[in-house]
Amino acid sequence: SQTIHQWPATLVQPVGSPLSLECTVEGTSNPNLYWYRQAAGRGLQLLFYSVGIGQISSEVPQNLSASRPQDRQFILSSKKLLLSDSGFYLCAWTWGQVNTEAFFGQGTRLTVV
Amino acid sequence: AQKVTQAQTEISVVEKEDVTLDCVYETRDTTYYLFWYKQPPSGELVFLIRRNSFDEQNEISGRYSWNFQKSTSSFNFTITASQVVDSAVYFCALSEEGKLIFGQGTELSVKP
Repeated sequence: SQTIHQWPATLVQPVGSPLSLECTVEGTSNPNLYWYRQAAGRGLQLLFYSVGIGQISSEVPQNLSASRPQDRQFILSSKKLLLSDSGFYLCAWTWGQVNTEAFFGQGTRLTVV
Repeated sequence: AQKVTQAQTEISVVEKEDVTLDCVYETRDTTYYLFWYKQPPSGELVFLIRRNSFDEQNEISGRYSWNFQKSTSSFNFTITASQVVDSAVYFCALSEEGKLIFGQGTELSVKP
């Protein structure tokens, strides 16, 4: 069966520090991968998605970047965190075909102080 | 661009009441998919249903039912005989060309 792992679960970082959140999927190959952010207002905002190794699409211009160094690994990064980067970050995957349901990781709650 | 609107920010009901969560979407495409997800307090999103744009049949799964109407661009979700365990934030989402776009969510509180 397929599983998705996301870590860490919680993170407190000072303003200006770097960030690296990692997500890995097991039990499938060539998944589509996604990073979402959920701010206090509850809506889920699509940040990045990837249909293959090295292929990243950015949805919102911001202080973050994403990389996919391996087929089932998706990393969210920042060189210098801002207070506004605080939120709940969710990684998700879908089958390679478009328009299938997404399966989500357990999320990382990031607080920038 | 595609958009999903969940006008109800919060709903509070008493256990055993029926409740309907509204979802209205906008898309230019003729082929698209709609979804509902549940987010319990733990935070993880749980997939509930997927519906494609060519299938307007209503779906029932236990106490859950979904009403898809292309004419009004709506995909509403009804919980019958609600229970305390149904308390969560519910998201409607639209998929187009592989991107899943979410509404703002409706927080449902079911009181005993």
